[in-house]
Amino acid sequence: DGGITQSPKYLFRKEGQNVTLSCEQNLNHDAMYWYRQDPGQGLRLIYYSQIVNDFQKGDIAEGYSVSREKKESFPLTVTSAQKNPTAFYLCASTFLEQTEAFFGQGTRLTVV
Amino acid sequence: GEDVEQSLFLSVREGDSSVINCTYTDSSSTYLYWYKQEPGAGLQLLTYIFSNMDMKQDQRLTVLLNKKDKHLSLRIADTQTGDSAIYFCAEIDTDGGSYIPTFGRGTSLIVHP
Repeated sequence: DGGITQSPKYLFRKEGQNVTLSCEQNLNHDAMYWYRQDPGQGLRLIYYSQIVNDFQKGDIAEGYSVSREKKESFPLTVTSAQKNPTAFYLCASTFLEQTEAFFGQGTRLTVV
Repeated sequence: GEDVEQSLFLSVREGDSSVINCTYTDSSSTYLYWYKQEPGAGLQLLTYIFSNMDMKQDQRLTVLLNKKDKHLSLRIADTQTGDSAIYFCAEIDTDGGSYIPTFGRGTSLIVHP
């Protein structure tokens, strides 16, 4: 079955450590997106990529980094520079000129 | 300001209709969507409407679009406790070429038995 998979579902990180969240899709989608969700703030765009080896900053890119070496994969690294990383992270993908965005089940990151 | 705005909360009784409202600012939006998010999960597409349509009905769901006022609504008939979730309105700007989905803050729907 086609879909988009995020792992892990829960992640704990000590302050000062980098951590990488995985996002993989087998839908042959061109574009992939990372959103951060905080209570009452909806979804805020961190980074997006519309083609392999290219990505763009979203509204809140500071303290995050991404790579797009393969069409299927768009990992997000939360660096120690991100001041308030505890949040729910959602990955999505779409065809470039298509409508519907498909979402993964999310990763809840907690900094301890 | 936000591109897509929604009220944050809606509380209804089981069996009543729910109406969730959304306003958007991008006049070039071609597609407008409603997503549902259950606790601790990702977003699932409920329905969508093209900007050249006024209304779309899908079983218990009715979407109304007022292009003049840039107002979108989602009506859920015979609301059930299983409908309790966060509902997101979203748009995709296709004219600008970016195709990036933009979401509202989400409306938490609470259904009382």
